[in-house]
Amino acid sequence: QKEVEQNSGPLSVPEGAIASLNCTYSDRGSQSFFWYRQYSGKSPELIMFIYSNGDKEDGRFTAQLNKASQYVSLLIRDSQPSDSATYLCAVTWYGGSQGNLIFGKGTKLSVKP
Amino acid sequence: SQTIHQWPATLVQPVGSPLSLECTVEGTSNPNLYWYRQAAGRGLQLLFYSVGIGQISSEVPQNLSASRPQDRQFILSSKKLLLSDSGFYLCAWNPTPNTEAFFGQGTRLTVV
Repeated sequence: QKEVEQNSGPLSVPEGAIASLNCTYSDRGSQSFFWYRQYSGKSPELIMFIYSNGDKEDGRFTAQLNKASQYVSLLIRDSQPSDSATYLCAVTWYGGSQGNLIFGKGTKLSVKP
Repeated sequence: SQTIHQWPATLVQPVGSPLSLECTVEGTSNPNLYWYRQAAGRGLQLLFYSVGIGQISSEVPQNLSASRPQDRQFILSSKKLLLSDSGFYLCAWNPTPNTEAFFGQGTRLTVV
């Protein structure tokens, strides 16, 4: 069974610090990797996607992918209280059924003013 | 631009009653469509996905069913709700497999 694992947290960081969120996945055939942010009671919204090994930066967010270690992370620089939310990692697989998009359980982030 | 609509936003239903949740996508054709459920304090569980009209794949055996009567319409149904069906139901779409998915606003279902 394909799995996506995340530390449930909560992860607490002070305002202005770097928040580091981690995700591991079970299948080496994994193809695409996504980070979503979900505020309490709301639907998930896409923050970033990454397909290739290495880093991808978008504003205060950096996604890092290491396929050899089956590991993907999200760094949030200069964390703000508005970043407080649950962050979901999602993965798709080569050769899987079309539309196979599996989510981790999410890491709850709390940014303290 | 593409938009996804999901309704109703909240629903309270008695045990044993039927369910119908509807989701429509605008501004695109032949989207991949998904139904997820998120129980309180838990992750997103994939329930159904569809790559075309009448094509439904079920990920979790349960008393729920899904249908896709039109290209951009996806319906989640149940004949008899259970207490364990309570949760936050989310419809999502993506243009092609293995690309980012976009979510509707969700339906919070409480079975009493």
